[in-house]
Amino acid sequence: QVQLQESGPGLVKPSGTLSLTCVVSGGSISSSNWWSWVRQPPGKGLEWIGEIYHSGSTNYNPSLKSRVTISVDKSNNQFSLKLSSVTAADTAVYYCARLSIAVARGIDYWGQGTLVTVSS
Amino acid sequence: DIQMTQSPSSLSASVGVRVTITCRASQSISSYLNWYQQKPGKAPKLLIYAASSLQSGVPSRFSGSGSGTDFTLTISSLQPEDFATYYCQKSYSTPYTFGQGTKVEIK
Repeated sequence: QVQLQESGPGLVKPSGTLSLTCVVSGGSISSSNWWSWVRQPPGKGLEWIGEIYHSGSTNYNPSLKSRVTISVDKSNNQFSLKLSSVTAADTAVYYCARLSIAVARGIDYWGQGTLVTVSS
Repeated sequence: DIQMTQSPSSLSASVGVRVTITCRASQSISSYLNWYQQKPGKAPKLLIYAASSLQSGVPSRFSGSGSGTDFTLTISSLQPEDFATYYCQKSYSTPYTFGQGTKVEIK
């Protein structure tokens, strides 16, 4: 059973950089899947942030592309998100997730989510 | 970018009734459409992938249909545990945009 667990600061100052890590257990990050970040502002809908393959190939949401970096650490079976120049609008629950080719790139595994608040 | 529009935004229904939620893409996405269920404080759960394929472990009262630009999620007989918010998501090409969600409430 694949499990994903997000970790990182729950509070980030405006104009700072949000950094989160997702540890994958029960499966290899080098499998034929893409690894993704999705966020959800309080009381609002889901927003896909971007994805990474174990080779390092990435795709980002154009709305965030200038501020987002997703990286992979195969030796530790984890991947990470960095979002720069954050504002209050970036306050959200951030989920890491697995996109599986087996389910037409649906997201079949999700982390529990971590709330990140942008505030001084 | 392709936009995804769900309707209705919310609905109120009784246990046992048939419920239908619609998702429309601003251009064709073939059958690359997934449906998720999200309960408060929880991560979303994949229900349907590729428009009509039932994810493993999901009850058969859930079904999906459609292709191109118009898609439907149907719950054949609404159960108490089905009260939640439902999202569609395209996986045709990035960005993998979600619909705005449909909240299903108890009548």
